[in-house]
Amino acid sequence: GIQVEQSPPDLILQEGANSTLRCNFSDSVNNLQWFHQNPWGQLINLFYIPSGTKQNGRLSATTVATERYSLLYISSSQTTDSGVYFCAGAAPNFNKFYFGSGTKLNVKP
Amino acid sequence: DGGITQSPKYLFRKEGQNVTLSCEQNLNHDAMYWYRQDPGQGLRLIYYSQIVNDFQKGDIAEGYSVSREKKESFPLTVTSAQKNPTAFYLCASSIKSSYVLGAGELFFGEGSRLTVL
Repeated sequence: GIQVEQSPPDLILQEGANSTLRCNFSDSVNNLQWFHQNPWGQLINLFYIPSGTKQNGRLSATTVATERYSLLYISSSQTTDSGVYFCAGAAPNFNKFYFGSGTKLNVKP
Repeated sequence: DGGITQSPKYLFRKEGQNVTLSCEQNLNHDAMYWYRQDPGQGLRLIYYSQIVNDFQKGDIAEGYSVSREKKESFPLTVTSAQKNPTAFYLCASSIKSSYVLGAGELFFGEGSRLTVL
């Protein structure tokens, strides 16, 4: 199967700081997504970004499909950004999604 | 509102009992999935189904069973054969637009927490 590596595994930020989370895939994937898992366990869709760059408020994401990685940028972080961020992708022609181990973010006031 | 509904949200079970977790979606998605998450860990695939009356084992299918009799429903049974069933279970679905384009965007339900006493 496809290996998904997320970095860093843990991140502590002061409120207002910026950060970059990275996701590397061992092989080509389609349907690359970023999720935020809130303290109650719910997975919230942040970006569906097979390639290119998207922005949503303070968050943006960039996927370079040819180099098999994606980046999630969080600017002016807030305490509500705390939680675990996962990336996932599906192999071409196949419906099975592969998840990274997540980046645990703690934003301190 | 369109979405994925999982029930129950919390469930307690005695050892040796089977339990069934419900997952219903009204997104008209073809593909549905069950994941397991242990504390501080990532998501592991239990079973997935790309079409009605068909499903495939994921990475950790032992001790679990599923059915897909209707497009909108994909229940998961945690059997007594599952050695360590206490976990957070997440159901998801995707549109499966085509085999060329792949599965499409994945959406999750709110999850079910199972505790074995």
